[in-house]
Amino acid sequence: DADVTQTPRNRITKTGKRIMLECSQTKGHDRMYWYRQDPGLGLRLIYYSFDVKDINKGEISDGYSVSRQAQAKFSLSLESAIPNQTALYFCATSEDRRPYEQYFGPGTRLTVT
Amino acid sequence: AQKVTQAQTEISVVEKEDVTLDCVYETRDTTYYLFWYKQPPSGELVFLIRRNSFDEQNEISGRYSWNFQKSTSSFNFTITASQVVDSAVYFCALSEIRAGGTSYGKLTFGQGTILTVHP
Repeated sequence: DADVTQTPRNRITKTGKRIMLECSQTKGHDRMYWYRQDPGLGLRLIYYSFDVKDINKGEISDGYSVSRQAQAKFSLSLESAIPNQTALYFCATSEDRRPYEQYFGPGTRLTVT
Repeated sequence: AQKVTQAQTEISVVEKEDVTLDCVYETRDTTYYLFWYKQPPSGELVFLIRRNSFDEQNEISGRYSWNFQKSTSSFNFTITASQVVDSAVYFCALSEIRAGGTSYGKLTFGQGTILTVHP
């Protein structure tokens, strides 16, 4: 089984809908991250969490919120989806002592119509 | 602020050609990590290499080689004798190193280079 899983893998939703993307990990890592990938822009950090009680905004957090329900689970929510949030979303995890060594999930392709 | 630039948006080569992917970075940090990731058509991100800014020694792994030049802030990636399976998007990334070798772990990615290798 994969160490970092994301659900759903693909999602099409309409403008204004609330949507949640989920990430689970079995690696026992404390740190978790959410990135979005857009063509020509690479991956950009949305939110990151050092542990259950420590959540921080990344460079593009507007329009997103997160929840760290447990060490193993980190969810990303779009409260009111808009078309320019159409992107590929990646979750990643890392150990505290090696935060640069990030393990990525398979990605969630989100389309907002 | 950190910045990573991959000026080549797309590269197209014929199988067995050598190809170099350029990466230039900007950072105020004196110590940092540099990375290359591969994203095949299936979409997942595959880690290729991590380089510490202390170590400017070039590295070779099979058909892959990396040239790190701190003086020009570049970390270029060369694929020798390219193959169709090398077709993918390649990302260069940067992460700072803080005191004690720790890091916040925030990766700054370049825009990516789409490599297409034709048979």
